[in-house]
Parts: sequence; structure tokens; C-alpha cells
Amino acid sequence: DTEVTQTPKHLVMGMTNKKSLKCEQHMGHRAMYWYKQKAKKPPELMFVYSYEKLSINESVPSRFSPECPNSSLLNLHLHALQPEDSALYLCASSQEPSTGVAKNIQYFGAGTRLSVL
Amino acid sequence: QQQVKQSPQSLIVQKGGISIINCAYENTAFDYFPWYQQFPGKGPALLIAIRPDVSEKKEGRFTISFNKSAKQFSLHIMDSQPGDSATYFCAAPHQGGSNYKLTFGKGTLLTVNP
Repeated sequence: DTEVTQTPKHLVMGMTNKKSLKCEQHMGHRAMYWYKQKAKKPPELMFVYSYEKLSINESVPSRFSPECPNSSLLNLHLHALQPEDSALYLCASSQEPSTGVAKNIQYFGAGTRLSVL
Repeated sequence: QQQVKQSPQSLIVQKGGISIINCAYENTAFDYFPWYQQFPGKGPALLIAIRPDVSEKKEGRFTISFNKSAKQFSLHIMDSQPGDSATYFCAAPHQGGSNYKLTFGKGTLLTVNP
């Protein structure tokens, strides 16, 4: 089973709202990722968690706040977003962030389609 | 910063034809090269991956060819089907210290006509 589950599938929020995206995997993976994908573009890395610790923040604005409560869950808290933040937000996981083919392969969820009004 | 150059940007193939997508990378310190397939409204799904010590890997109708000296790898889809119509991304992982990143090519929109 290589399933990464993301909720909600769709989210519409105003610029003053606070909302959260959730991601869950039960593959025992110890690395989890948040990506942002605009239409007709490749995914862009936002954050990487390694063993529940934030290891990469790709200079993402503070209105995006990631959280990793445990090894299976990853949240992305949203606050005071801008219309240009509208995009598909993807969560991914991999066995470990280290060398080795199988350990590095990333599995993606279906994403949350976010619209900011 | 790792760069991955993918071509073509879009590709139209007739049913039963061969689809070929190419990628070129710059750095050499990688342990695998994956290809992802993405349908509209869905997340990228791992299609096939190859290690740099292997020149070719085949899984069903999908084949990756790897040319280490030219720093290029390509995806061949044999007997292309309308259901293969999707966006394909090549990727290259790179590691700096304890961090780990996957850099994607810009993607190829494949359309297979019936």
C-alpha cells in the first residue's frame, strides 16, 4: 500500500480565514513533504520533515505553517492567505531522506485544491 | 541548485504509436531518476524509476533509458493508449548535508489520439 491521504480535497477560503490541510500515511515513512503546484507547472517544494523535525523550509511565507504531530501525520496551517496562494497543495512521503533508491522514492497524495478569494 | 531540462513541452501521438520524452540533468551525485505521471486534478503518481548504474529499465509498455555520459534519461511509452494522456514529469533527487530534495522537470503534456 503506497497511499498518502489528503483532506480536504477542495477548500475555499477568504483572506482572513484560518484553515488547515491534513496529510496522513501509514507506510512507516519517516520523511514527509509539502509541495505547491500551480496549473501546468511542476510541483514546488515547500517543506520537508525528517523524523518529525522540520529539515527544509524553502523560504515559504509565514502565512504557511507546517506541523508534524507524529510520524504518520502532517498538517499545513493556513492564515491570511493571498489570492496568488490558490493552487494544488500536495503532500508526499518517502521511507527515509537518505541515499538509496527505495528509501528516497516519494509517494504523493491526490492533493488539496485551494482557492483563496 | 539542480536543474532538470525536460522536452518536449507537449506531445501528440496516435494510438499505438511510441511516445518519447527526454530529460537532461546537470549534477552527477544521484541515486535514482524517477518519472511521475499526473492526471488532471490528481497528484503525481510514480511511474518508473531507474538507478544510474543501469542503462535501461522496462515495466510493461514503459521503458526508461539512461545515458550517464550524456547526463540524459528518457521515457519511452510503447503502444501508446488514450488512457496514457497525462502530464509526465522527470525528476532528479539531490542531497545537501542532511537535506533531501527532488527537482522536477517542467513537464510534458502527452495527448494520445484514438
